[in-house]
Amino acid sequence: QSALTQPRSVSGSPGQSVTISCTGSSSDVGGYNYVSWYQHHPGKAPKLMIYDVHKRPSGVPDRFSGSKSGNTASLIISGLQADDESDYYCCSYAGSNVVFGGGTKLTVL
Amino acid sequence: QVQLQESGPGLVKPSETLSLTCTVSGVSISGYFWSWIRQPPGKGLEWIGYIYYSENTNYNPFLKSRVTISLDRSKNQISLKLNSVTAADTAVYYCARVYTQCSGGSCYDSWGQGIPVTVSS
Repeated sequence: QSALTQPRSVSGSPGQSVTISCTGSSSDVGGYNYVSWYQHHPGKAPKLMIYDVHKRPSGVPDRFSGSKSGNTASLIISGLQADDESDYYCCSYAGSNVVFGGGTKLTVL
Repeated sequence: QVQLQESGPGLVKPSETLSLTCTVSGVSISGYFWSWIRQPPGKGLEWIGYIYYSENTNYNPFLKSRVTISLDRSKNQISLKLNSVTAADTAVYYCARVYTQCSGGSCYDSWGQGIPVTVSS
C-alpha cells in the first residue's frame, strides 16, 4: 500500500481536461509545498512534469499544471493528446522521508 | 545531456545482498544529490534513499537497517547495497538525480531506465 493515494485510472477524450488527485496527510502533502508529478511510460525512464506543487520544468507543455488543497494535490492535464496516455505518479517530501503514490493510468479515449 | 544507466545481477537469492551500480555520463556526480527508487511488480514507486557528493546519506526509515548507498567518484558511479533480501525486495530499481531547482530535495529530473531484480532461490 502506497503512502499517497491516487485513483487507479482516469480517462478522457482528446481535447478534454482530466484531473488526477493525490491524497496524503499533514505529514507529507499537507505539510509541505514539495509535491512533484511524473509521467511514466512502462519500460522507459519516468519524466518530471511538475515540481513544488505547480512549477513546470523547462520543456513541459503548459497543458500540464498542478495545485494543492489541504492534504490533496492535483495534476491537471488540459487539451488531452494521444501521447499523454501513460502512468502518472505523485511524490511528496515527508520530513526525513520521500513518499510516492500508487500511480494512475491515464487512458485517452 | 545527463544519462544514468543501472547495472547489476537480475537474480538474487533470499538472505543475500543485492548490489547495483548506476553509471552517470554527461555530468560529474559531484555537486548533486542522487537517489535510488524502486517499483515492485504491480505497485507504486518507493523511495530508497539519497546520497550527496559529500557522502551525506538519508534512507527510507523502513529500509534503513539494510541499505547502503555510496559513491565512486573515480568511476562517476552511485552504488546501492541492500542486504538480507526477501521476495518483497523484488522490483525494478531506478537511480535518479535530484533536481536542483526543487525545494525539499524530493524531485528527480533525470532517471535511468531501471533494472529488474528478482529475489528467488
